[in-house]
Amino acid sequence: EIVLTQSPATLSLSPGERATLSCRASQSVSSYLAWYQQKPGQAPRLLIYDASNRATGIPARFSGSGSGTDFTLTINSLEPEDFAVYYCQQRSNWPSITFGQGTRLEIK
Amino acid sequence: QVQLVESGGGVVQPGGSLRLSCAASGFTFSRYGMHWVRQAPGKGLEWVAFIRYDGSHKYFADSVKGRFTISRDNSKNTLFLQMSSLRAEDTAVYYCAKDVVNTVTTFAFDIWGQGTMVTVSS
Repeated sequence: EIVLTQSPATLSLSPGERATLSCRASQSVSSYLAWYQQKPGQAPRLLIYDASNRATGIPARFSGSGSGTDFTLTINSLEPEDFAVYYCQQRSNWPSITFGQGTRLEIK
Repeated sequence: QVQLVESGGGVVQPGGSLRLSCAASGFTFSRYGMHWVRQAPGKGLEWVAFIRYDGSHKYFADSVKGRFTISRDNSKNTLFLQMSSLRAEDTAVYYCAKDVVNTVTTFAFDIWGQGTMVTVSS
C-alpha cells in the first residue's frame, strides 16, 4: 500500500497569506495525485487532479505541483472560505488508492 | 445541476445488514464509474468500492471485501451499496462519488453526495 504523508498537520495563517501544503508518497505515484478540500459537515470537493490540473470551477489561487513522491498544494492570497481540511489522494495503482491523513488550515 | 443524493443510512446492530442508495441527476449516469467513500467520525477518508459505468467491473477495499457489494441501475440513475456482516469499525459517513472522466476509470472523484451516516452499535 502506498502511504501518503501530509505536512504540516495543522497550518495557521491569516487571510491574504499564501499557504503551502505538502504531500509525500512512500513510492512514486507519477502524476496521479489529487487534492480535496473538506469543510466541517460537508463532503470533500475536488480541487486538483493529476498533480496540477484544476477541477472545474476551482479558483486560480489554487495550484498544484510535483511528481513522483513529492507534491505541493499552494493557495495564494487566502480567502476566509479557504480555511478547511485538505486531503491528498493517489490513484497510481488503483484500485489500491489511498488518502493522506489531512492538513487542517486554520485562521491565525 | 449535477447532484448525488445518498439515502439508507441508520443504526444497525453488529452482524446486521444495510443497503445504501445514491440517486444521481444532472449528468449521464450510465457513462461514469461510481464509487463509495467513507469517513469514520473525526477521521480521514477511506475508499470503499467502485463499479464501472456499465457495471462490468467492481472493486472493493480489503476492509470490506466479501461483506459489501456494489451495484447500479442505469435505467434509474441509482447506485447501491449492500452492506452485510457489519462491524463497529464500519461506522462512518458514506459518500457516493462520481469518477472524473466518462467511460474511463480514473479513481478521481469530482462530484460527491452529502453523505449518509451508518452507525453499527448494539
